[in-house]
Formats: sequence, C-alpha cells, structure tokens
Amino acid sequence: EDQVTQSPEALRLQEGESSSLNCSYTVSGLRGLFWYRQDPGKGPEFLFTLYSAGEEKEKERLKATLTKKESFLHITAPKPEDSATYLCAVQAPGSSYKLIFGSGTRLLVRP
Amino acid sequence: EAEVAQSPRYKITEKSQAVAFWCDPISGHATLYWYRQILGQGPELLVQFQDESVVDDSQLPKDRFSAERLKGVDSTLKIQPAELGDSAMYLCASSWSGTGGTEAFFGQGTRLTVV
Repeated sequence: EDQVTQSPEALRLQEGESSSLNCSYTVSGLRGLFWYRQDPGKGPEFLFTLYSAGEEKEKERLKATLTKKESFLHITAPKPEDSATYLCAVQAPGSSYKLIFGSGTRLLVRP
Repeated sequence: EAEVAQSPRYKITEKSQAVAFWCDPISGHATLYWYRQILGQGPELLVQFQDESVVDDSQLPKDRFSAERLKGVDSTLKIQPAELGDSAMYLCASSWSGTGGTEAFFGQGTRLTVV
C-alpha cells in the first residue's frame, strides 16, 4: 500500500533559523512527489514537483530534494510569512495516479 | 491566472439534511479530484474523474455521497443525509493529465459544519 509519512508534526523556528522538513514515502513506481503549502482555512498551494532521485527544485527560501525513499523541504533563513502547513504528496500508477498526502508539518516562524 | 473555483466557501447544515458543493476546474484540465480534509490531517481522496468518467471512488461513502461531472467540465458533490462526522473541508482540484507526473491545483475549499 502506498504511504506517505511527514515529520515533524510541528516545528517552531526563530526568524532566520534554517531547518528541514521530512517526507518519507513507500510507493511502487513513483510518477511524482509534490510539495504544497497550506494556509489556515485555504486550499493547498502548489510549490514543487520532483520526479527522480537526485532532483532538486528551489523557490525563494525553499529547496526541495528527493531520494529513493524520502524528500526534504529545506527552509533557509525563514521569515514569519513562511508560517503554514507544508504537505507532501506522491502519485503512482497503482493508486490510479491520485495524490496520496501525508498529514503535513505545521511550521511556525517567530519574529 | 487560472484558478479552480469552488462554492460555497462555507456551509452550515443540520444533520440529516442534504448539501451540495460545486467545482469549476481550470479550463482544459481533464482530471478532477474531490478531497476531504479533517482539521490537522492531510487531504484524503473521495472521488477522481477523468473527463466525465469516475476513475477512483473507492473511499467515497456511496450510501450518502454522490458525485457527477457532466460533460467533463464542472462537478458537483452531494451528501444526503449529512451526518455530524461529515464536518470537514471539502477540496476540489484539477490537473492537466490523469496519468501522473502533473501537478494538481486546488480551489479554496468548502468548509462544511454539520450541527
């Protein structure tokens, strides 16, 4: 069964304190790994797609990396506006190509 | 900028009543998803359409939930009768391809409260 596990569940950082969020996955025939940002009361906002081990994507203070078993979302010098829940999802043929989500990491960046 | 449109944004209904949600995907997107998200959890798929056909509805409680996507464009999700446990955020998403590797874009969701 395809599964996604995210850690930690919650993370508190001081402004400027860099850290990483983890997404571990078990899936057969990965077609894509996706990172989303979700603000309270809103729908998830697409950030990155990663397709194969070794791939990296960057956007402002965020950098996503992928290995054969996990993905990391690195946040460099975060700002309070980076506070949100970050969701990881995988897509595979055995699951009808639906997005299978983890439970997310709630990030709080304090000024 | 193209967006997925959902309505209503908020809905309060009494248990045993019927409720319906509407979604208009990004133009040209063949795949449409309905997800349910309980507070503090990740979204879980209820139903997935490829054009007007259902691809996956394995987690849809079919005794009370129904979904349709007539003409392969907009979609409606219905609950009848609503139960207290149905209180959640209902999210619609669309993607260009249904064969994987393409990102899905989400609407703002409908927050349902059943009282």
